[in-house]
Amino acid sequence: AQSVTQLDSQVPVFEEAPVELRCNYSSSVSVYLFWYVQYPNQGLQLLLKYLSGSTLVESINGFEAEFNKSQTSFHLRKPSVHISDTAEYFCAVRDSGAGSYQLTFGKGTKLSVIP
Amino acid sequence: NAGVTQTPKFQVLKTGQSMTLQCAQDMNHEYMSWYRQDPGMGLRLIHYSVGAGITDQGEVPNGYNVSRSTTEDFPLRLLSAAPSQTSVYFCASSSTGTGFSTDTQYFGPGTRLTVL
Repeated sequence: AQSVTQLDSQVPVFEEAPVELRCNYSSSVSVYLFWYVQYPNQGLQLLLKYLSGSTLVESINGFEAEFNKSQTSFHLRKPSVHISDTAEYFCAVRDSGAGSYQLTFGKGTKLSVIP
Repeated sequence: NAGVTQTPKFQVLKTGQSMTLQCAQDMNHEYMSWYRQDPGMGLRLIHYSVGAGITDQGEVPNGYNVSRSTTEDFPLRLLSAAPSQTSVYFCASSSTGTGFSTDTQYFGPGTRLTVL
């Protein structure tokens, strides 16, 4: 079984400031890692994912996350946030083995960008 | 290509009533799942399916039934609604093949259910 801990439930940050949303996971097996974003009154959208290879993964809108196996972390960062980044962000994990598709989500972090 | 669709968007039930939340996808995905989202709890898996005729329980299955008769549809049934089932319900789907793009789960817009 896996679990995901998102250490901050709410993160306020000023526009154009950097932000880091923290995610730690626990698993006894090899995992894939995901960040999803949920804008108000919408479903979830994939932001980025780590499956294998380079431990640093990037999204098309400037977010990046680094897989750190020794610290079992997958923190999400952006060097300069915009008002449009205001949303709830969910870290998720799944078993990388064949036939495993279930995601386990963290409780989410609400990012509020202040003008 | 509509992706994942869910109906209804909103529903109010009285305790003890039954209803079915509909979910459909047009991407020929084998894997489909239902989650509930509650404030401060993230998303919790209710039931999932890896293909027509195959379903299994997730983390919080009690009070819910599912069936999968076609690849496209995965309805969620509430047998006797309770106030504790007040939540936002999301359906998601993904491919079960291999390759970088197959690990992405696509989510529907959600159904907001209130049980009085």
